[in-house]
Amino acid sequence: GAGVSQSPSNKVTEKGKDVELRCDPISGHTALYWYRQRLGQGLEFLIYFQGNSAPDKSGLPSDRFSAERTGESVSTLTIQRTQQEDSAVYLCASSLVVGGYTFGSGTRLTVV
Amino acid sequence: QKEVEQDPGPLSVPEGAIVSLNCTYSNSAFQYFMWYRQYSRKGPELLMYTYSSGNKEDGRFTAQVDKSSKYISLFIRDSQPSDSATYLCAMTFYNQGGKLIFGQGTELSVKP
Repeated sequence: GAGVSQSPSNKVTEKGKDVELRCDPISGHTALYWYRQRLGQGLEFLIYFQGNSAPDKSGLPSDRFSAERTGESVSTLTIQRTQQEDSAVYLCASSLVVGGYTFGSGTRLTVV
Repeated sequence: QKEVEQDPGPLSVPEGAIVSLNCTYSNSAFQYFMWYRQYSRKGPELLMYTYSSGNKEDGRFTAQVDKSSKYISLFIRDSQPSDSATYLCAMTFYNQGGKLIFGQGTELSVKP
């Protein structure tokens, strides 16, 4: 597609449930990133995929968070046993070169 | 201390004013500097991208980087109501694989 697509756009889940967030990057973009944005805050790095290299998982806040990417296409971010502090907007971005990110519109996650 | 500091505002200016947005950072190894604009409920979009020190101009927008002071700025001339958004600074080391470190964002409101 023309841009980065994320689904769902909104997700309300009960505390303790697992959720899966999806990101479709721009075709041909080798790098894919996940960020988290809490209300009124900047973007917090979660994980980075570059081609077939091992992902940089240094930003994942706990072992409840995991992400996968199939080749250079779709990525899913999974949060297990959700907690209220996981409520945030989860943003995905893809890029071909350093700094040239294109972001999706994000998934707004609310844990009740 | 955060790696990147940005005054969250909010900042309110009249239409036509010159706006100055700023970030300071602590790590002198940052080489690439960016400004993103984020409208409500949208993903950030890249406005300006600068490598190392110096100025870069694009229409009404000018980005400045002063690596000796660890200080970056974004100037908006002849501000318009459509410029009302949150502005995020971001920066990276090349060998971090393009992972961006973001400031908190400054909320700007341009009043007609």
